[in-house]
Amino acid sequence: GAGVSQSPSNKVTEKGKDVELRCDPISGHTALYWYRQRLGQGLEFLIYFQGNSAPDKSGLPSDRFSAERTGESVSTLTIQRTQQEDSAVYLCASSPLQGGSGNTIYFGEGSWLTVV
Amino acid sequence: GEDVEQSLFLSVREGDSSVINCTYTDSSSTYLYWYKQEPGAGLQLLTYIFSNMDMKQDQRLTVLLNKKDKHLSLRIADTQTGDSAIYFCAESMNDYKLSFGAGTTVTVRA
Repeated sequence: GAGVSQSPSNKVTEKGKDVELRCDPISGHTALYWYRQRLGQGLEFLIYFQGNSAPDKSGLPSDRFSAERTGESVSTLTIQRTQQEDSAVYLCASSPLQGGSGNTIYFGEGSWLTVV
Repeated sequence: GEDVEQSLFLSVREGDSSVINCTYTDSSSTYLYWYKQEPGAGLQLLTYIFSNMDMKQDQRLTVLLNKKDKHLSLRIADTQTGDSAIYFCAESMNDYKLSFGAGTTVTVRA
């Protein structure tokens, strides 16, 4: 596709349920990121995938959070046993090479998660 | 605490210049970025500056970097209503992990 695509765009779930958020990066982009944005706050780094290298999971807030990526394509962020503090916008981004270093990182529109 | 700090709100009259300020803590930052987020949209990269530069200009945008004070600013000349958005400052601490500020909400009034 033309840009980074995320689904669902909005999700309301009950506390304790599991949710899956999907990200389709721009075709050919080897680097993929997940960030979380809580209301009124900056973006928190969650996880980074680069090609076939081991992902950097250092930003995942708890073991309820996990993410997978199939090769250099789709990624899924899974939150198990959701809690109200998980309510946030989850942003996915991709870049053609290693991010930072001035390489443009392209963001999706985010998945708005509300846990009730 | 926050590695990157920004003021939360800025109100500016249409046609005036806007200046958004940001401070960061990591002196080893190599790149510093400005992103724009419009309502309901993802983040859009506006511009970035390499840490060995003092200034970068791109059309209506001017980025100033004071590395000694770890201060970054974004100036928007001739601010238009379409510039109303949240602006995020970010630093790259290594080659890929960006650290973002909380964002400055810019409101352009007629």
